[in-house]
Amino acid sequence: GESVGLHLPTLSVQEGDNSIINCAYSNSASDYFIWYKQESGKGPQFIIDIRSNMDKRQGQRVTVLLNKTVKHLSLQIAATQPGDSAVYFCAENPHRNKFYFGSGTKLNVKP
Amino acid sequence: NAGVTQTPKFQVLKTGQSMTLQCAQDMNHEYMSWYRQDPGMGLRLIHYSVGAGITDQGEVPNGYNVSRSTTEDFPLRLLSAAPSQTSVYFCASRDEDRDNEQYFGPGTRLTVT
Repeated sequence: GESVGLHLPTLSVQEGDNSIINCAYSNSASDYFIWYKQESGKGPQFIIDIRSNMDKRQGQRVTVLLNKTVKHLSLQIAATQPGDSAVYFCAENPHRNKFYFGSGTKLNVKP
Repeated sequence: NAGVTQTPKFQVLKTGQSMTLQCAQDMNHEYMSWYRQDPGMGLRLIHYSVGAGITDQGEVPNGYNVSRSTTEDFPLRLLSAAPSQTSVYFCASRDEDRDNEQYFGPGTRLTVT
């Protein structure tokens, strides 16, 4: 399968701080990169995606940055809240209907 | 809308037994998929379908069969369960005309002894 990995398995941040979750990917042919959030005992939930021809995309309190030169993707969460505590996955789709997920980063938000 | 539903929530099988994991969606999505998630790992694509009568393999299809007779349902069959198939299984659906957002079900936790 494709290789989509994460640099840090666990990230702890203080409530109110900004969080940055990183991801490395291997397939330059991927057309989209996607971030998902998974809370304990639940299925993943879509956060945001970015097309390969973009460098940055912003959503509500989240920003995704794509660096194709080094095949790196990051998710920035502004003013992190306790409800942001979850596991975050990046995914890519080197083929239109196939999505490959990374192993995930656990985000712990300390009150 | 109920979204994506999966049954059962939990299942224990003995090696060699067969079973079907059910998945249904009420969003009229053409695209549906099955993933497995092992501890500490991301999701791996087993099979997917882009419409009734059309299925294809993902990363880890061996040991699993699927069919898609209706838009709503996409069952996953284990013909002869093995301990290596112990995992949490997620079904998802997507509106292909609306980017990459997949809607996931709550998952089925399967243990094979």
